[in-house]
Amino acid sequence: GENVEQHPSTLSVQEGDSAVIKCTYSDSASNYFPWYKQELGKGPQLIIDIRSNVGEKKDQRIAVTLNKTAKHFSLHITETQPEDSAVYFCAASKWLTGGGNKLTFGTGTQLKVEL
Amino acid sequence: GAVVSQHPSWVICKSGTSVKIECRSLDFQATTMFWYRQFPKQSLMLMATSNEGSKATYEQGVEKDKFLINHASLTLSTLTVTSAHPEDSSFYICSASGTRASYEQYFGPGTRLTVT
Repeated sequence: GENVEQHPSTLSVQEGDSAVIKCTYSDSASNYFPWYKQELGKGPQLIIDIRSNVGEKKDQRIAVTLNKTAKHFSLHITETQPEDSAVYFCAASKWLTGGGNKLTFGTGTQLKVEL
Repeated sequence: GAVVSQHPSWVICKSGTSVKIECRSLDFQATTMFWYRQFPKQSLMLMATSNEGSKATYEQGVEKDKFLINHASLTLSTLTVTSAHPEDSSFYICSASGTRASYEQYFGPGTRLTVT
């Protein structure tokens, strides 16, 4: 099955700096790569995603890059703010036979933005 | 748009009893719903996938007789933990996809289950 590795497990940055989180996946059939932000005691919130036919996607301060050949993708957050502090999960997915896509999550990165 | 709710948000039950958790898509029809389990400081682990009107597909190692899933309509799925034990205490999260062609999964706020 799919295996997703995520690094680093913790990341501390100063407010205004950039943060980068990296993930690798094993299954070349995976074709959709979302990123989720999870605050303590809450469900994950989709913040950005990328499909396998795209190499890069940007939404304001957040960007994701995908290298299919190397099977890795990264989340970039610029101009970090204290409210960006949370746990971030990457995921890789592929279609299920009956419909829908099965997500395999990375192990998570605890991002702390310090004032 | 794409709001998923869960009820209850937290529940405490005694060992040996059963507890039901509801997952609803509020503003879209969810063809596929997923149930995850998350232990403290760990990642989300998929328990099962359900399509409306079909039996759920369980991940390896998940006991289907213990975790009963019913996807009764396009807006409601339920997870029943039967004969709960303390080791079942966890954070249970559902997600929903809008159509069979939809990549995106939208997550509910989660349900904290504590079994005493």
